[in-house]
Amino acid sequence: NAGVTQTPKFQVLKTGQSMTLQCAQDMNHNSMYWYRQDPGMGLRLIYYSASEGTTDKGEVPNGYNVSRLNKREFSLRLESAAPSQTSVYFCASIGTSLDTQYFGPGTRLTVL
Amino acid sequence: QKEVEQNSGPLSVPEGAIASLNCTYSDRVSQSFFWYRQYSGKSPELIMSIYSNGDKEDGRFTAQLNKASQYVSLLIRDSQPSDSATYLCAVRVGSARQLTFGSGTQLTVLP
Repeated sequence: NAGVTQTPKFQVLKTGQSMTLQCAQDMNHNSMYWYRQDPGMGLRLIYYSASEGTTDKGEVPNGYNVSRLNKREFSLRLESAAPSQTSVYFCASIGTSLDTQYFGPGTRLTVL
Repeated sequence: QKEVEQNSGPLSVPEGAIASLNCTYSDRVSQSFFWYRQYSGKSPELIMSIYSNGDKEDGRFTAQLNKASQYVSLLIRDSQPSDSATYLCAVRVGSARQLTFGSGTQLTVLP
């Protein structure tokens, strides 16, 4: 099992460009999450999906959109990137026990 | 006030010593508590979970929970240089599916 995978690993964008971060899990988990991590700020929840077909806003959703394409995949889209969105983005998933949250390797995004 | 607070550190301890990491939370309805370890440039990984008051031990790690004081801690006994990482405290409120994370404590174990 690959667990949680994310693409790309690194990305540099110019202000105003758009991009989609991809996330997939092969653990048959219902719930998936997108976080951003900035120095000294810990992990902040952007959006989550409790199950296929549902999405909900987290703590910092502005400037982002998400799509739960199917049970495996949960993508994060930046429509018009801003320098404030420079961060490390982590995708995570959790099973029905709500115990262990598994994280992907992260995407390091720089917006110039 | 942040919902989950941790001392940002950095915390340095000598090899073989006990490292003590602390976390306080503001929501009294919080039910589940987690400690994640994150090595530099890597993703967080779960090392301990605790749900009821008292101590929970797993190898060199002990999690302590005091719901009355809204306090959860992680003790690492016989600290090793390989324990050098950032430790993130996370809290789940009730049956919510999302976690709230603290900002993390950076631990350095000196050889």
